[in-house]
Amino acid sequence: DAMVIQNPRYQVTQFGKPVTLSCSQTLNHNVMYWYQQKSSQAPKLLFHYYDKDFNNEADTPDNFQSRRPNTSFCFLDIRSPGLGDAAMYLCATSRDLADSSYNEQFFGPGTRLTVL
Amino acid sequence: AQKVTQAQTEISVVEKEDVTLDCVYETRDTTYYLFWYKQPPSGELVFLIRRNSFDEQNEISGRYSWNFQKSTSSFNFTITASQVVDSAVYFCALKIGSGDKLTFGTGTRLAVRP
Repeated sequence: DAMVIQNPRYQVTQFGKPVTLSCSQTLNHNVMYWYQQKSSQAPKLLFHYYDKDFNNEADTPDNFQSRRPNTSFCFLDIRSPGLGDAAMYLCATSRDLADSSYNEQFFGPGTRLTVL
Repeated sequence: AQKVTQAQTEISVVEKEDVTLDCVYETRDTTYYLFWYKQPPSGELVFLIRRNSFDEQNEISGRYSWNFQKSTSSFNFTITASQVVDSAVYFCALKIGSGDKLTFGTGTRLAVRP
């Protein structure tokens, strides 16, 4: 089945120790998104790629970076995790953007990040 | 700016009851898209429906139905004969035609008791 896969499902890191979360998709979608969701809150968009074009949200801290080496994979790098970065990180894809019949987003199962 | 309001933070019903989840949105754009997502305890956001601003037809899918009313800027979601498996957090979301970003509501936690 075509899907969005996130690894690992649970990640524990230490304060200040860089961590990378990964996302892959078999949907062949053009757009990949990273969201941060804290407990009992709505998902918050960090950034997205349309193909190789990177779009950062204005309020995304510099501590968060992303890479998309090819259509299928996208990575979220947290350079120096703080306690406040503990959250669920959701990857999503969509076939197209904005004003399109194919703009619904499909989400992966998420990676829950714990910062000790 | 866009905004989505889900005034119901938590709803608890007994199995087989009908339940309606409210969603009110704000946007100045004439082209926009509305979505509902389900987030079960496992964490994955499951896409349920998309509606564009030019299509006000209500939709029914099994026990799920959606009522889109532009006059009141609402896109409500009704579950008929609720089941325990419907227990989840439900998010309503908005995307404007010229933008890439999904604006989520704060979610409604639905608990269906046996």
